[in-house]
Amino acid sequence: DAKTTQPPSMDCAEGRAANLPCNHSTISGNEYVYWYRQIHSQGPQYIIHGLKNNETNEMASLIITEDRKSSTLILPHATLRDTAVYYCIVRVAGTSYDKVIFGPGTSLSVIP
Amino acid sequence: GAVVSQHPSRVICKSGTSVKIECRSLDFQATTMFWYRQFPKQSLMLMATSNEGSKATYEQGVEKDKFLINHASLTLSTLTVTSAHPEDSSFYICSAARPNFHTFGSGTRLTVV
Repeated sequence: DAKTTQPPSMDCAEGRAANLPCNHSTISGNEYVYWYRQIHSQGPQYIIHGLKNNETNEMASLIITEDRKSSTLILPHATLRDTAVYYCIVRVAGTSYDKVIFGPGTSLSVIP
Repeated sequence: GAVVSQHPSRVICKSGTSVKIECRSLDFQATTMFWYRQFPKQSLMLMATSNEGSKATYEQGVEKDKFLINHASLTLSTLTVTSAHPEDSSFYICSAARPNFHTFGSGTRLTVV
């Protein structure tokens, strides 16, 4: 079973920041938080991951609470092309055999 | 880098026939690959873990004799849907694993008529 909970859907105005929350209250000390997204009829795309520090890359920022029980993915300036289902996943990094189990994710709609 | 190619992207087959889907890691070696199935408006469901040179490990409820997985090299895993039926129509997605990342293919839309 997925170890995370996310709201089923969210809307965001184009050009505004999209903040997608994720709860992972049972996360273990060696588990990272990963975010993927899936645009309709495509394979999932990696966005970002982190352990306990906040992370930023060219796509997004990841804010992880100090107790690591929740996190927020931030798309700073959402565009229509960011409309997708966003999946928050916890898994052990440093191994290739650890499964990626998907929950229902959050369906983000960016509105013009 | 880290590209996974999945082929074909779409296939239509007749009921009772078999279909093979290929998943290739183009610029890295993957000892482990995963196969998922996704029905409309649902999330990805893990079907099996494919390990190079050994038998695949199937998730509970997935028929190993119906979904044949072969991982004969470090860059290629194949999924064969045998004796396909309309209820096997779905979006099949593979991923190739590296220590910190899973890279996903673009998916195969299978329609059984």
